[in-house]
Amino acid sequence: DAGVTQSPTHLIKTRGQQVTLRCSPKSGHDTVSWYQQALGQGPQFIFQYYEEEERQRGNFPDRFSGHQFPNYSSELNVNALLLGDSALYLCASSNWGVPNQPQHFGDGTRLSIL
Amino acid sequence: AQSVTQLDSHVSVSEGTPVLLRCNYSSSYSPSLFWYVQHPNKGLQLLLKYTSAATLVKGINGFEAEFKKSETSFHLTKPSAHMSDAAEYFCVVTVKTSYDKVIFGPGTSLSVIP
Repeated sequence: DAGVTQSPTHLIKTRGQQVTLRCSPKSGHDTVSWYQQALGQGPQFIFQYYEEEERQRGNFPDRFSGHQFPNYSSELNVNALLLGDSALYLCASSNWGVPNQPQHFGDGTRLSIL
Repeated sequence: AQSVTQLDSHVSVSEGTPVLLRCNYSSSYSPSLFWYVQHPNKGLQLLLKYTSAATLVKGINGFEAEFKKSETSFHLTKPSAHMSDAAEYFCVVTVKTSYDKVIFGPGTSLSVIP
């Protein structure tokens, strides 16, 4: 039973570039959430996707956008990269509408901005 | 408003001694509470969850937590620390409103001294 998988594991970009991160949810899950975790801090919620629509959004600028595909996988896109975007980006999956369930996390993508 | 406080940013214990990681929450709704562990450069792994059943919850790797509504606390304990327990621990609250709102605590770094 495959868990949450994320790609790539590491990525180095320069300021102003654009990046796309990918996530495949745990088998049987239909909802994907993205988090940004800066060094030494807890994860911060970016947004959540279900049925190919953004359902919730945290306090992140429009430079952060996403997409969910019919197979439930998801992408996180960040435009006009800033040094402050350097972080571990975590994807979590779950089932929409199921109460009290924990999210399942991938190992993340480490994004470094030079 | 909902919030999560982890009272200690860093805890250090000797191998074989008890572990106590403290978590307090604030919520206007009945929350679900979780503890996750994160090893270096890894994603978050679920340790245990409280979802309004028994107030004493047992998790993986010998960890347990007790929900105390009167104290709005959900402290994580383990009778005897192992070297492999050294990691970052996050207390998480999920509140069911229109959508599930997931709130992370800032984390507690646990060091285990041989």
